[in-house]
Formats: sequence, C-alpha cells, structure tokens
Amino acid sequence: EEELVESGGGLVKPGGSLRLSCTASGFTFSRNSMNWVRQVPGKGPEWVSSISSSGAYKKYAESVKGRFTISRDNARKSLYLQMNSLTAEDTAVYYCARDLEGRADYMDVWGKGTTVTVSS
Amino acid sequence: EIVLTQSPATLSLSPGERATLSCRASQSVSSYLGWYQQKPGQAPRLLIYDASNRATGIPARFSGSGSGTDFTLTISSLEPEDFAVYYCQQRSDWLTFGGGTKVEIK
Repeated sequence: EEELVESGGGLVKPGGSLRLSCTASGFTFSRNSMNWVRQVPGKGPEWVSSISSSGAYKKYAESVKGRFTISRDNARKSLYLQMNSLTAEDTAVYYCARDLEGRADYMDVWGKGTTVTVSS
Repeated sequence: EIVLTQSPATLSLSPGERATLSCRASQSVSSYLGWYQQKPGQAPRLLIYDASNRATGIPARFSGSGSGTDFTLTISSLEPEDFAVYYCQQRSDWLTFGGGTKVEIK
C-alpha cells in the first residue's frame, strides 16, 4: 500500500523553528515530485512547497519563501520541511503529498498530516 | 494569484440525488483543474485531474467538465459515503485551492 507518514509537528513559539519529516512506503519514492500542503481547520488547503524527483528544482508559496526550505533524501525515502521564523499564520495541519505521476501539481497520495501550532 | 471561487458553500441533498458543484477561476486556467474530496479528520483525496479525468479508483458517478474559467463536478447519484467537502485546485499558475463546497445530508 502506498503510504506517507508525517512527523515533527508540535507547539512552537513565534520566531521559532521546526523541521517536519515525511516517510514514504509502498512506491518508488525517487520517481515522484513531492509537496507540502497545509490546511487551517475549516479552510481550504494551501500549497506550501514542491520539490522535483531529483531534488534539483524547488518552488515555494510567496507566504513562506525565504523562511521555509524543502528537501528530500531519496535513499531514506524521506521528505523534509525546515520552517524558520514561524508566525501564528503558520499554524495549520501540514500534509505531505505525492505528485500524480505524469501530471505534475496534482496530488494523488497524502499523509494523515502533522499539526503545527505557533503560539506564545 | 489565481483565485478559485466555489459555489454553493453548502449543498443539502438526499442519497440518490444528483450533485452539481461549481468552481470559477479569476482568470483562465485552461483545463488545468482538479477536484478533491475531504472527509472530517482525513486528508484530501484526488478525484479528478485536468478538468475531466478520473483518478485511479474513482467511481464513474464522479465526473468533471469545463475549461477556461468555469468548471463543474457532478456526482450522478449520491452514495452515503459521498457526503463530504469538495475542493477544486488549479495548476495553471502555481497551485491554489478553492474554499470548498460541503455536501451534506438533507
């Protein structure tokens, strides 16, 4: 079964940092571009960042550019999101999601999410 | 940024009825539009990509149509498991999602 499992969420103070991880299983991780998507409960999802299958190409939403860094380790089948200078507006459930093969920027496998709360 | 506006916000229907959900883009996204279903406590699930292509394993009662700025998701006959929130998403210019339509039991 194709699965993504996120970890690393938690409570952090404004201005703080957090590193999210996502571990893949059941598919060839190195073949797919990957994404981080976040969602405030009761609101629509918000795309955060994407990384190509090799890790060479990365893109970010304007709201996180310069503060968040996406990376991956294909040998470990893992995706990461380093989040710095966090604010209350970053509070959300963060999902790791796989790009649909052959149709970039649609997401066909999602993790269950990890919750990030930024509060003093 | 392309803004996606979904309507109605809530759709109250009975099992067996037809559901028609709308998504309007602030500028043309060609056919680069997808639809997702989300149930409480779960992640979104891809239903439709490129406006009208069903994702793997999605039942035939789900269909998508449209191009440019106006798109529709149709559920031909609602099953009990279809009551959920539905989001549209465009990939024409970066990625953005709509605000959602909740399909609830009447």
